Amino acid sequence: GAVVSQHPSRVICKSGTSVKIECRSLDFQATTMFWYRQFPKQSLMLMATSNEGSKATYEQGVEKDKFLINHASLTLSTLTVTSAHPEDSSFYICSAEQGGNTEAFFGQGTRLTVV
Amino acid sequence: ELKVEQNPLFLSMQEGKNYTIYCNYSTTSDRLYWYRQDPGKSLESLFVLLSNGAVKQEGRLMASLDTKARLSTLHITAAVHDLSATYFCAVMDSGGSNYKLTFGKGTLLTVNP
Repeated sequence: GAVVSQHPSRVICKSGTSVKIECRSLDFQATTMFWYRQFPKQSLMLMATSNEGSKATYEQGVEKDKFLINHASLTLSTLTVTSAHPEDSSFYICSAEQGGNTEAFFGQGTRLTVV
Repeated sequence: ELKVEQNPLFLSMQEGKNYTIYCNYSTTSDRLYWYRQDPGKSLESLFVLLSNGAVKQEGRLMASLDTKARLSTLHITAAVHDLSATYFCAVMDSGGSNYKLTFGKGTLLTVNP
């Protein structure tokens, strides 16, 4: 299957700072990328959908000014958690698809800890 | 709104036994996925089911899809300890402009020796 690389795999940051997470499709062009958040022992919750070259679509209850998503190229999407707080600590996972109802491939995930 | 219900949420079984995990969903969908997640890791794709009656098998795992009943099953045959993990079903929601996945809550499978 196609490879999606997510970086960093782990990050610890201080409360009030911002953190950027990258999601790259290594061997295909990703028209659409998805960002999920997973709290311990829970399922994945979709945060937002990003299409290359356009604004991301956020799910209800997700603050777009806090979770900034940029999908500037067909192989890279970034999620920036701004002014992070301890309650933002979670496992963030991206997925990417080639577009048009094809299978999505998942990155390795990023464990964010805000202290 | 698409809802996905998975059961059981917790499953403890002995090695060598068989069991089935169920995944029900609320609206018509084009496809259904099964994933495995190990602790601290991301998702590993197990199966993609595309049509009514689809059945796929890989090792001790077999997945099936009944689109009329809006039901998928993941059957485990002769479980071994290495199968211990959390299993998620996810259903593609094609109702909007993006084909997004809605996940079940997951089934934490523990296989005891």
